Order: sequence, then structure tokens, then C-alpha cells
Amino acid sequence: GEDVEQSLFLSVREGDSSVINCTYTDSSSTYLYWYKQEPGAGLQLLTYIFSNMDMKQDQRLTVLLNKKDKHLSLRIADTQTGDSAIYFCAEANAGNNRKLIWGLGTSLAVNP
Amino acid sequence: KAGVTQTPRYLIKTRGQQVTLSCSPISGHRSVSWYQQTPGQGLQFLFEYFSETQRNKGNFPGRFSGRQFSNSRSEMNVSTLELGDSALYLCASSSGLVANTGELFFGEGSRLTVL
Repeated sequence: GEDVEQSLFLSVREGDSSVINCTYTDSSSTYLYWYKQEPGAGLQLLTYIFSNMDMKQDQRLTVLLNKKDKHLSLRIADTQTGDSAIYFCAEANAGNNRKLIWGLGTSLAVNP
Repeated sequence: KAGVTQTPRYLIKTRGQQVTLSCSPISGHRSVSWYQQTPGQGLQFLFEYFSETQRNKGNFPGRFSGRQFSNSRSEMNVSTLELGDSALYLCASSSGLVANTGELFFGEGSRLTVL
């Protein structure tokens, strides 16, 4: 079945760039999403990319999609301590009654 | 615009009891999804409701059930609680079916502890 995998932990220094990686198996994915969960809170949508795009940039966030390798990455430039959170990758296939497939989340720790 | 509201935020139950959690979606949103989040299993999809109908269901036993009302508010119920049901239960709303939009707005969750 479909699967989404992420590394569980990432630690970076404040001011450095963070790169969070995700691989997925569903070749018919249409949208791929990055969600952020801060401690004690629900998830919030950070950004998403349509499967016919290679890259999307939004301020400090850059999403890269390699559809051939089914690899998605989220780069956070100039990482701040407020970026410490769990980042979830999710993919969707816009068929009828299809649900989102979620990764386990990458816990990002930003050290001062 | 008010966000997704979940109640209660915290609750403690004992094995064998049942629990009902409530979720009020963002005004105008017709889809409500429920997730179970645990440290070891991540985010596990429970079910999605749209216009009072269950549209999708995850792989959970029948002890987990839900419903949606005409005002889009949703409840989920877990009967005969087990220790393994201890988790953060997240509700998310969406303007349309999740598979079509993917843009979910999450509540802060209801943290259930089963003793």
C-alpha cells in the first residue's frame, strides 16, 4: 500500500538551514503537503506543492519535489528557535474518497 | 474567524469506560476528520465525515465511532476503553473532501489518558 517515510529527528544550529526529507510510494500523488506541529498544539499547514511542480518557494521555505525518485524536501532558511516543532509530510491522491497518507513526522530541534 | 474547537482538552478515564469527544469545525467547513496521535504510531486516521456522512474510515476497531450533525459539528466515541487508547485525538476541518483539498485546519486536540 501507499507509504510516506521521514527521518524522525533533525538537529540544527540557529541561523543554519534545515532540510527535512520525505519519500513516498504512491506514483499517482497529486498534492504533497508539509504540516507543522508545535508543542501542545494541533497541526498547521505550512505549504503544499502540486505534483507537476519541481519547486515552490515561500519566504524562508523552499519545497523541492523529485517526482522520479518520489522524494520531497522542505528547506527552512535561517532556522530560528521558533521553528522547533514536528514537521509532517503528507500526500494526497485526488480520487474519490481517498484519504491523506501521513509520515510519522520529523522532530526538528534548533539549538541556540 | 474562529478556529477548530475541541472539547474537552484533557480527560482521564479508566479501562472499560467510554468517552465522547466533540469537535466544532471552522464556520462553513463541511468536512471533519479525526486522527489519533501517539508517539510510536504518529498520526493515524480514524474517519472523515462530510455532510453528515462517513466518507472514509481508517483501520480502527468498531469501538471507535463517530457522527456529524447538520451544523457540521462532530463527535467521536470510544467504547470499552483500553490502555492503548491513551493518545491525543485531533480533529481537523476542511472546506471540501480532504482528498480533494488536502488543506486541513486542526484543533488543539483532546488528550485522553486511560488508567
